[in-house]
Amino acid sequence: EAQVTQNPRYLITVTGKKLTVTCSQNMNHEYMSWYRQDPGLGLRQIYYSMNVEVTDKGDVPEGYKVSRKEKRNFPLILESPSPNQTSLYFCASSPTGGGQPQHFGDGTRLSIL
Amino acid sequence: QQQVKQSPQSLIVQKGGISIINCAYENTAFDYFPWYQQFPGKGPALLIAIRPDVSEKKEGRFTISFNKSAKQFSLHIMDSQPGDSATYFCAAGVGGYQKVTFGTGTKLQVIP
Repeated sequence: EAQVTQNPRYLITVTGKKLTVTCSQNMNHEYMSWYRQDPGLGLRQIYYSMNVEVTDKGDVPEGYKVSRKEKRNFPLILESPSPNQTSLYFCASSPTGGGQPQHFGDGTRLSIL
Repeated sequence: QQQVKQSPQSLIVQKGGISIINCAYENTAFDYFPWYQQFPGKGPALLIAIRPDVSEKKEGRFTISFNKSAKQFSLHIMDSQPGDSATYFCAAGVGGYQKVTFGTGTKLQVIP
């Protein structure tokens, strides 16, 4: 089954404690992206990757890091989380770019206290 | 600067009625306009998409209308059903390009 898998699905943590949200896709897609979803703001892109070792900033990259060492994995790293990063996060992938249909994971709800 | 404006924020429609969600964009370079449907606890899923070389695209009960000169596009859901209750996002991007900009979402509730 074609899918994008995120872990964990839920996480409550404290300010400053480094965390990583993993994302893995099994469709051999080149393009992967991270979004955050906040009420009234829709989906905002954090980072995206066009291929292995190729990443770039989206619209709201501050406070986040990513890496793309393998084609299937695209982890999101919060090195020093803050309460304003409390949000619902989605990973997505598509064959070649954002202008193609994206497949989304089921989301990770992060609460930073 | 919000490049894709979506309205309304929420919508309540009677079963069997027509649901209409509107979006407007600013960047004339956009050439890919998808609509995503999101159910609670799930990620968005592509519903229907259109390119600007056509003014309308229909898939079952879902239709996208596109007005290039007005820089507007809309989603029409005919014969709305309670199972259509979800959040809908419009989006716009440049085909094959890295980024797609999403609207702020419309929460649709279809009541029996």
